[in-house]
Formats: sequence, structure tokens, C-alpha cells
Amino acid sequence: ILNVEQSPQSLHVQEGDSTNFTCSFPSSNFYALHWYRWETAKSPEALFVMTLNGDEKKKGRISATLNTKEGYSYLYIKGSQPEDSATYLCASQPGGGADGLTFGKGTHLIIQP
Amino acid sequence: GAVVSQHPSRVICKSGTSVKIECRSLDFQATTMFWYRQFPKQSLMLMATSNEGSKATYEQGVEKDKFLINHASLTLSTLTVTSAHPEDSSFYICSASQSRDRGRWYGYTFGSGTRLTVV
Repeated sequence: ILNVEQSPQSLHVQEGDSTNFTCSFPSSNFYALHWYRWETAKSPEALFVMTLNGDEKKKGRISATLNTKEGYSYLYIKGSQPEDSATYLCASQPGGGADGLTFGKGTHLIIQP
Repeated sequence: GAVVSQHPSRVICKSGTSVKIECRSLDFQATTMFWYRQFPKQSLMLMATSNEGSKATYEQGVEKDKFLINHASLTLSTLTVTSAHPEDSSFYICSASQSRDRGRWYGYTFGSGTRLTVV
């Protein structure tokens, strides 16, 4: 994998259902994996930064896992609510200094009431 | 929490003119600022990295004479698109990295972006 890939591109989920989506990234030259939640006309909101293989982080109903050996991360949303509708971005950070991020195209999530 | 204010949010300019986009860190010192660009249905692409008081480092394929970056203070960075052309129409967004404090790194904080349309 050379680039950061996210799937699916878009997702419609019924309110109350749980969902998950994937981020694949180059496992070489890797320092950290970032997840952001981005609503239109707002700043991307940082959700998680993960560095260690097997890392699992949770923030309310949202959680994420990281596999650095195979180069993928999953984001899970439990009991989706309308306010979860947003674009979810993942980004790979190559070094431990102040490095720019390599982003995927995002997963556009729409929660249907 | 850390906030980065980016202005303007939208700008329309004529071909050949220059446009300046500002990013200010409101409650922290941004030692490093990143500028990204996003074309429709594409990912955010890093354009350049700037450290306060130093010249910016541009990514391959980004013209430094066209996209002028100034990071003269720890709270302000500007991106000027010079002699803009329709192909420069895009979404531009900045991101600030806080300085490390005793080894702790505070992550990246993004502005809300600027939609540039060149007519």
C-alpha cells in the first residue's frame, strides 16, 4: 500500500445501528495514525492519535483500533446518532517530529433518523 | 482547547490577482504550520510546511513562487496565492502543530478552510 485508503467512500446508516469503516496505510515509515471527524464549514476535529500496534482507543460511542504490521485501522461507532453524520478522515504521520500528514479521501457518513 | 482561526472562509478573485489567506493560533504557540489543498473528491494534500522565522519547505510539484508562505510569528501564518488562475481554484486549509513541552506533543489543530474561486 502506497497511499492512505479509506473505505467505504460513503455510508448510510440507520439511527441506532452500529457501523465501522476502514483505513489502510503504508506500514513502512509509520509513526502515528490520526482519525478526524469533519463537519462541513467547520475545522476537522481530532478523534484519536494512535502509535502502537494493537492500540485501541475509545471516546464515548466511538472507538478505533490499529494494526501497524498489516497497515490498517478501524473506526467503530456504536448506536449511531444523527449528530454522528460527518466525514471521517484518517491520516498517516511518517515521523515523530512535526511532519505533515498523508490523508485518505474520507468516509462520508450519513445517519438516517 | 487549541483553536486555529482561518480567514477568509470563501473568496472569489479575478485571474491575475493575488489572494492572502490567514491562519492564527488563538491560544497556543504554533511552532510549525502546515498548508494543505483539496481538489473535489480528492484527499487533503500537503503543500508546504513552515516553521516560525524560517523559509517554508514545499512539497514536490508545489510552486514556491506562486504560493508564498509567511510564518513571521508564533501565532500567524499566511498563504498568498499570487497571480491566481482558475486552476488554483481549490479548498485550502491550514494546520498548526504546538511546540513540544517536556517531550509531550499536543497534536495538530486545523483551521476551518478557505474556498478559493478564481474567475
